[in-house]
Amino acid sequence: EIVMTQSPATLSVSPGERATFSCRASQSVSTNLAWYQQKPGQAPRLLIYGASSRATGVPARFSGSGSGTEFTLSISNLQSEDFAVYYCQQYKDWPPATFGPGTKVDLK
Amino acid sequence: QVQLQESGPGLVKPSETLSLTCNVSGGSIRDFYYTWIRQTAGKGLEWIGRFRTSGTTYYNPSLKSRVTMSEDVSKNQFFLRLNSVTAADSAIYYCVRDSASGWPLFEHWGQGILVTVSS
Repeated sequence: EIVMTQSPATLSVSPGERATFSCRASQSVSTNLAWYQQKPGQAPRLLIYGASSRATGVPARFSGSGSGTEFTLSISNLQSEDFAVYYCQQYKDWPPATFGPGTKVDLK
Repeated sequence: QVQLQESGPGLVKPSETLSLTCNVSGGSIRDFYYTWIRQTAGKGLEWIGRFRTSGTTYYNPSLKSRVTMSEDVSKNQFFLRLNSVTAADSAIYYCVRDSASGWPLFEHWGQGILVTVSS
């Protein structure tokens, strides 16, 4: 099973700033990496797939990069609605598909 | 627009069977892969399994001995059964429709149902 880790666990950011956080896979997943956003009381929402492709309706301020074992999600010009928990997920080697533990982006 | 809705008991006794239903509207369950995912504060998001009607069903190896996924195409529903539950199975359970790509990418989620295992 591929183990996903994320850092930092919590990131404090001010509105308008840029937030950048990382995801690491225990072995290469190529670009079979997705990012999800989860707000309190809601189900996760698919943001990014293929490491860098935005899902339908996702604003351009969200951008993903990386390949192999190291990935990054960046949010530019952070908006109030972007404060949430972000999870990465690999789908290179499954079953099982596996998720990281999440990075919480909160208000500085 | 596809919508998914989980239903089932919110409380299950230890050693019994957890049974959940996912009702799908806005599209036939014949056309996509569907997945169950659960979430706990301790273990985070855990993929339980995925299936497609008339196709292969895949289970998480850690749960494979206890889990069964099935469907009723006529009712546009699919089901999760998890046997011999313990407190560790207490979680929010989500039913999900995967993306049209065929990859296990989780595009459309139900709102989730909280299941507690307790006597």
